[in-house]
Amino acid sequence: AQTVTQSQPEMSVQEAETVTLSCTYDTSESDYYLFWYKQPPSRQMILVIRQEAYKQQNATENRFSVNFQKAAKSFSLKISDSQLGDAAMYFCAYWDNNDMRFGAGTRLTVKP
Amino acid sequence: KAGVTQTPRYLIKTRGQQVTLSCSPISGHRSVSWYQQTPGQGLQFLFEYFSETQRNKGNFPGRFSGRQFSNSRSEMNVSTLELGDSALYLCASSSFDRYNEQFFGPGTRLTVL
Repeated sequence: AQTVTQSQPEMSVQEAETVTLSCTYDTSESDYYLFWYKQPPSRQMILVIRQEAYKQQNATENRFSVNFQKAAKSFSLKISDSQLGDAAMYFCAYWDNNDMRFGAGTRLTVKP
Repeated sequence: KAGVTQTPRYLIKTRGQQVTLSCSPISGHRSVSWYQQTPGQGLQFLFEYFSETQRNKGNFPGRFSGRQFSNSRSEMNVSTLELGDSALYLCASSSFDRYNEQFFGPGTRLTVL
């Protein structure tokens, strides 16, 4: 079964600086998708960024970018110019064949 | 477009009771997935429906069931509630063309006493 591992339960970053959240996954599939979701305190989970496994180019959405290493099965999220509103739980997720698996999450704190 | 809505937002039940949660997807979305979120187990997939058919099911006991209606609205039911069923239940919908890009609702917080 596919598993998703987020080895950093908590991370902290100074406002305006850059932080990288780690994610690794295990799969025998070649075609799949990876996601990062953000869940602010007491608020809805929202999609941050999406990466198709067949694309070598790393996805980017404004201040959010990923480092996708398919051979290493690694999918890290980089947040640049961190803002107070980035404080949230971040979940890495893996999808294939209508099956979505989430990591345990990383709680990101942003210090003013 | 309105987002995914879930009702009720909060629910308190006692052990042994049953509960039904409702989810209305984004207009035009035909896929609805349900997840259970707890501090200990994280986010766990319950099941996914597409066009009134269950396409995928997670590893949960038969007390957890769901259905989807012709208007894509979905309900999940938990019978014979246990204390361990206390959780945030999240519903997510997706469109046909970007079927794995899920949009989540605010969740239903279920407390079992």
